[in-house]
Order: sequence, then structure tokens, then C-alpha cells
Amino acid sequence: GQQVMQIPQYQHVQEGEDFTTYCNSSTTLSNIQWYKQRPGGHPVFLIQLVKSGEVKKQKRLTFQFGEAKKNSSLHITATQTTDVGTYFCAGKETGFQKLVFGTGTRLLVSP
Amino acid sequence: EAQVTQNPRYLITVTGKKLTVTCSQNMNHEYMSWYRQDPGLGLRQIYYSMNVEVTDKGDVPEGYKVSRKEKRNFPLILESPSPNQTSLYFCASKITGNTEAFFGQGTRLTVV
Repeated sequence: GQQVMQIPQYQHVQEGEDFTTYCNSSTTLSNIQWYKQRPGGHPVFLIQLVKSGEVKKQKRLTFQFGEAKKNSSLHITATQTTDVGTYFCAGKETGFQKLVFGTGTRLLVSP
Repeated sequence: EAQVTQNPRYLITVTGKKLTVTCSQNMNHEYMSWYRQDPGLGLRQIYYSMNVEVTDKGDVPEGYKVSRKEKRNFPLILESPSPNQTSLYFCASKITGNTEAFFGQGTRLTVV
């Protein structure tokens, strides 16, 4: 079945450093979504990418969807302590409704 | 307020004692799903439902049952819980298609 892997599993950075998490699917996706889960909280939707090669920005966050629609990345510029949490990607295969989540990347930011 | 509500938030139970975790959404979403979250394994899908009376297995369905008798409710049933089902469970709902999922607050289950 469809598998979605993320790397790294965990990253600890100093405040102000950049951070990137990568998401790779075993199958071609119709879309990719990103969620953030704060410690002790539930996943909250951040953004969705649909087009091949699409790039979207939200303030310090940059999201990319690969040309082959099988991978994606989330880059945070100049991390802040408020960025702490686990970031998940999630994708749906074309023609299917099942939403599969990645393994997640846990980000810790030290002041 | 649009939301997904799970109950209970915390539960400690003993092996073999049947339990149900409820999930209800007030957004008229067709799609509902259950996930379990374990360290290093991310969110793994247990079951999902495309609409009333339509359910399908996710990636880790063993030991779980679900039902979708009404559009708003999607309970997760553990007929005979075992310690390896100790986990953090999330219910989610969404509109069919490329749309965002809304999550409940989570249920932390411990089976001893």
C-alpha cells in the first residue's frame, strides 16, 4: 500500500537557524498537505499543494511539491521557539479518498 | 463552532475489557477516519469511512472495529484491548476531495 516517509525523524536547532523536513511517497499523489502538531496538541492543517512543482510561502515557511508529485518539503527560515512541534505531511493518491500521513518530523528549537 | 469531539480524552483500562471511543463532528463531513500515533511511527490509519454505512480498513485495522450509522458519528471499538493498543488516538473528518482534515483533541489510551 501507499507509504509516506519523512526525514529527519527529529531535529534540534538553535533559534534563528533554518530547518527543512522532507516527505517522500511510494506512489504519485494528487495533492500534498502539511500539518503542525504542537506538543500535547492535535494536528492542525497548514497548507495544501496540488500542482506539480508548486511552491507556496507562509511568512517564514516555504512549501514545495516535487515535479513528479511524489515528494515535498517544508523549509522554515530563521526558526523561532514557537515553531516547536511535529510536522506531518499527508497525501492522497489520484482517484482515491484515503488520506495517508507521513511519519512526522519533530522539531525542537532552543532559545 | 466547527469541531471534532472525541471522548474520553484519557482512558486506562485492563486487557480484554471492551471499550468504545466516540467521535462526533458538526461540519457535515462525509469522510471520517481514525489514526493512532506512536513515537517514530507517525499517524497510522486504522479505519476510514467515506459516508454513512461505508467503511474501509486503513493500514493497522487489526483489533479494532468501527461503525458509521450516522454521518456525524464514527466510534472506534476495541472488543478485547491488549497492551499493544496503548497509544494516542485521533479522529479526523473532512469533505470528500482535496480538502483539509480536522482533528479531534485526541484520546490517550493505556491498556494494562
